[in-house]
Amino acid sequence: GENVEQHPSTLSVQEGDSAVIKCTYSDSASNYFPWYKQELGKRPQLIIDIRSNVGEKKDQRIAVTLNKTAKHFSLHITETQPEDSAVYFCAARTGSQGNLIFGKGTKLSVKP
Amino acid sequence: NAGVTQTPKFRILKIGQSMTLQCTQDMNHNYMYWYRQDPGMGLKLIYYSVGAGITDKGEVPNGYNVSRSTTEDFPLRLELAAPSQTSVYFCASMTSTDTQYFGPGTRLTVL
Repeated sequence: GENVEQHPSTLSVQEGDSAVIKCTYSDSASNYFPWYKQELGKRPQLIIDIRSNVGEKKDQRIAVTLNKTAKHFSLHITETQPEDSAVYFCAARTGSQGNLIFGKGTKLSVKP
Repeated sequence: NAGVTQTPKFRILKIGQSMTLQCTQDMNHNYMYWYRQDPGMGLKLIYYSVGAGITDKGEVPNGYNVSRSTTEDFPLRLELAAPSQTSVYFCASMTSTDTQYFGPGTRLTVL
């Protein structure tokens, strides 16, 4: 079955710097890769996603890149702000009926 | 729309007790999911449903049961609670474009 590895587990940056979180997946048939943000004590919320027919997607300060050959995808956050501090989860899904397999999460801290 | 709602928010159970975690969505989504989240371990799928009357096991189904009699409701039943079931439980429903919306979660402690 699918396996998703996420790195790093913790990441600390200064406000205004960029942050990059990387995930690798094992199943080459995986075709959908969402990223979720979870603030402390809150529910996970989708922030961006990418499908296997696209190499990059941007939404304001966040972007996701996908390398199907290497089977990895990354979340990029530019001009980080304190409110970006949260745990970020990547996930991968295989097939149209497949379920999401989540990485273990990255705790991002943005220091003012 | 209220989205996905869950009750209760918190619960403490004694070993061997049973309980039902409630989940309701008002978005008319066919797909619904139950996850558990342990510290530092991400989200693990317990059970899922692709529509009323249809349920299937996820990665960690042991000790749990579900039912799906309506599109809106997807309750999770814990029988004979064990300390290993101490966790935060999230219910989610999915749109036709694959976005999963999560409920606020239930924090369960088994002592």
